[in-house]
Amino acid sequence: QVQLQESGPGLVKPSQTLSLTCTVSGGSISSGSYYWSWIRQPAGKGLEWIGRIYTSGSTNYNPSLKSRVTISVDTSKNQFSLKLSSVTAADTAVYYCARETEDIVVVPAVDYYMDVWGKGTTVTVSS
Amino acid sequence: DIQMTQSPSSLSASVGDRVTITCQASQDISNYLNWYQQKPGKAPKLLIYDASNLETGVPSRFSGSGSGTDFTFTISSLQPEDIATYYCQQYDNLPRTFGPGTKVDIK
Repeated sequence: QVQLQESGPGLVKPSQTLSLTCTVSGGSISSGSYYWSWIRQPAGKGLEWIGRIYTSGSTNYNPSLKSRVTISVDTSKNQFSLKLSSVTAADTAVYYCARETEDIVVVPAVDYYMDVWGKGTTVTVSS
Repeated sequence: DIQMTQSPSSLSASVGDRVTITCQASQDISNYLNWYQQKPGKAPKLLIYDASNLETGVPSRFSGSGSGTDFTFTISSLQPEDIATYYCQQYDNLPRTFGPGTKVDIK
């Protein structure tokens, strides 16, 4: 059973770069039709999709964050990572990594769902 | 971006009650909608995908319906362990967007 675990600094200074890693266990990050995603949630608020990466390395980002976000994958370590630059207090949140499954049931209809999530890691932006 | 709205924002119901949450998309998303459950301090959990398909292992008291712009999520008989916030999420287009959530409490 695939499991995800986020790791990285819990405190980042304003204007610096937030860096998080998600380690995939119980399966290969390279196998199957999966997008590896990042989602965040400020305290007491809703979920915001940050972006995703396919095992081929192709990425999609939320336009609201695109200028500051980089998602990469390291297949040798079975990990994918998030970098968010020029952070402010507004970037303080719980950050989740998740697997988005691409489920081709009947072409051309394709279902996508985030069926595996990490437990989340809290990142605070403060000096 | 496709905007998702949910109503109500919160509700209180008794154990055994039927609970219904609605989700509306700002444009036609066919049936490309998922529902998640998030308990306090925990990650979201997928309950329903493709508007009405129950994820493996999810109790049958949970169900979903709808297509186009209007969707419904139902708990047929509310249980104490169902206390959580429920989110809809569209996957018709990027970026993926979530509804603001509906918090469900026991009366």
